[in-house]
Amino acid sequence: GAVVSQHPSRVICKSGTSVKIECRSLDFQATTMFWYRQFPKQSLMLMATSNEGSKATYEQGVEKDKFLINHASLTLSTLTVTSAHPEDSSFYICSASYSGTGSSPLHFGNGTRLTVT
Amino acid sequence: GQNIDQPTEMTATEGAIVQINCTYQTSGFNGLFWYQQHAGEAPTFLSYNVLDGLEEKGRFSSFLSRSKGYSYLLLKELQMKDSASYLCAVSDSNYQLIWGAGTKLIIKP
Repeated sequence: GAVVSQHPSRVICKSGTSVKIECRSLDFQATTMFWYRQFPKQSLMLMATSNEGSKATYEQGVEKDKFLINHASLTLSTLTVTSAHPEDSSFYICSASYSGTGSSPLHFGNGTRLTVT
Repeated sequence: GQNIDQPTEMTATEGAIVQINCTYQTSGFNGLFWYQQHAGEAPTFLSYNVLDGLEEKGRFSSFLSRSKGYSYLLLKELQMKDSASYLCAVSDSNYQLIWGAGTKLIIKP
């Protein structure tokens, strides 16, 4: 089955520093990847849609200058949390699908738990 | 607006059957997904319905009625490992996924 690898699984950083999270599709090409954030006991919140070779589309309320997304190849997308603050502490999850549309299931990475101290 | 409703929490007994309902109101419809999410982990895909009717996959089945804007996930022979949150998501006319808040299922011995 489709595998999406996300790294790191956990990261602790100091306030003001930047953190990069990688998302790779291991056995398929993903023209579109999605980045979600999930706070405790809440549902998934879509942050942005990442398209290979073009700029990401951000959801309303998500700062594109703070959450930098790069989708340089068909198998890799990265999310960089810049100048992190404690309120950015959350569970970040990437996902991808074969077709990039909403008619095929999303396959999720294992998530990255970010703690900003 | 677009809306997905599912119960916040349900409790069931090991070995029993439980049905988790999901109702939706979206701009267009291109399919409904169910995902399972254990605490602290990412969601995993369970099922996809785009046509009316029942899809069975082992102990799990998913039903869809497009005219009623309604789906359910049926879990049989419940096991303790089925304790998790179950997320309903609908693909709208733009193929964007609209997520429900999830149903936390608690299984008791």
